[in-house]
Amino acid sequence: GAVVSQHPSRVICKSGTSVKIECRSLDFQATTMFWYRQFPKQSLMLMATSNEGSKATYEQGVEKDKFLINHASLTLSTLTVTSAHPEDSSFYICSARAGGTTSYEQYFGPGTRLTVT
Amino acid sequence: AQSVTQLGSHVSVSEGALVLLRCNYSSSVPPYLFWYVQYPNQGLQLLLKYTSAATLVKGINGFEAEFKKSETSFHLTKPSAHMSDAAEYFCAVRPRGSTLGRLYFGRGTQLTVWP
Repeated sequence: GAVVSQHPSRVICKSGTSVKIECRSLDFQATTMFWYRQFPKQSLMLMATSNEGSKATYEQGVEKDKFLINHASLTLSTLTVTSAHPEDSSFYICSARAGGTTSYEQYFGPGTRLTVT
Repeated sequence: AQSVTQLGSHVSVSEGALVLLRCNYSSSVPPYLFWYVQYPNQGLQLLLKYTSAATLVKGINGFEAEFKKSETSFHLTKPSAHMSDAAEYFCAVRPRGSTLGRLYFGRGTQLTVWP
């Protein structure tokens, strides 16, 4: 089956620093990748949708200058949390969808636990 | 706008008992429907999906779900719960005709299985 990896699995950073999270599709080409944020005991909140080679589409209320998304290749998307603050601490999950509108499934990465101290 | 309602944020069952997790959607056109499971500190794993074929969908780990258009529901069931089923379950929909394939998630249901 399709596999999506995320790196790192967990990261601790100091307030004010930036941290980059990678999302890779290992055995398929992902034309579309999605970034979610999940708070404890809550559902997934879609942050942005990225298509390879184009700018990401951010959901309302998500600061695009704070959460930088790059989808430079068909197998890699990155989320950079800039000038992180403790309130950015969360579980970040990416998912990837293969090309074609007939593709129904999103394949989810294992998530990245970000803790900002 | 799409809306997904999962009734019951917590469900507890005894091992061997029936599992029933409820999901209702709100859209005039039946969407694609999915159930995902999430174990602690992990991503989501697809249990099953309804795209437009049979209304009774069988998934992994003995789970199944039935699409009922008249009730706008897609409830998840398993005849006999196992301890390993304890996890968070999310129902999600994808609108038909969506080119990006965005999913809309319910709030999740935490399943606890008692020995």
